[in-house]
Amino acid sequence: EAGVAQSPRYKIIEKRQSVAFWCNPISGHATLYWYQQILGQGPKLLIQFQNNGVVDDSQLPKDRFSAERLKGVDSTLKIQPAKLEDSAVYLCASSTYQETQYFGPGTRLLVL
Amino acid sequence: GESVGLHLPTLSVQEGDNSIINCAYSNSASDYFIWYKQESGKGPQFIIDIRSNMDKRQGQRVTVLLNKTVKHLSLQIAATQPGDSAVYFCAETLIQGAQKLVFGQGTRLTINP
Repeated sequence: EAGVAQSPRYKIIEKRQSVAFWCNPISGHATLYWYQQILGQGPKLLIQFQNNGVVDDSQLPKDRFSAERLKGVDSTLKIQPAKLEDSAVYLCASSTYQETQYFGPGTRLLVL
Repeated sequence: GESVGLHLPTLSVQEGDNSIINCAYSNSASDYFIWYKQESGKGPQFIIDIRSNMDKRQGQRVTVLLNKTVKHLSLQIAATQPGDSAVYFCAETLIQGAQKLVFGQGTRLTINP
């Protein structure tokens, strides 16, 4: 069974630029999560989708971050404009309802 | 909000020895706990989980112990191998509802040959 796919794996941008990340969850997983992992810390949930609806986005900086999952499968996370403190690994995870979350390899973002 | 913390940021053990990684959680309402392993450049990988109605659960070479009285969680790895070198995170959540995972800071385990 294929795991969670993410792209790109690495991205370097300058502050105030925009960036987008893509996630393809495990087939059949209705729940999709985006996490931010700053170096040396554990992942922090940014947003959770159940199918194409948002379940929790309480920790998403909505002034600059946005996410969508229009057809209930793939998802994109966008940052516009990026700040230096957005440098982190962005992890996507998926699960069936209330079951174990499986993580993708992440996208490592460096904002200069 | 609630957070899960770990007692030690780093741990070194000799290959073949057993290792114990500890975790303290703060939300007494949490009823589901998971240990993840994260290797360099990879996403967290599920190792083992435990529900609050249990105090011990065993997997292959790994055991998780839960002490709800003192809100403490530990991961025991038996006969450590070089491939066990990684950062280990504990995470807590509620079984019912959105299952928002709260991760601790992580412990870096190094296996010495």
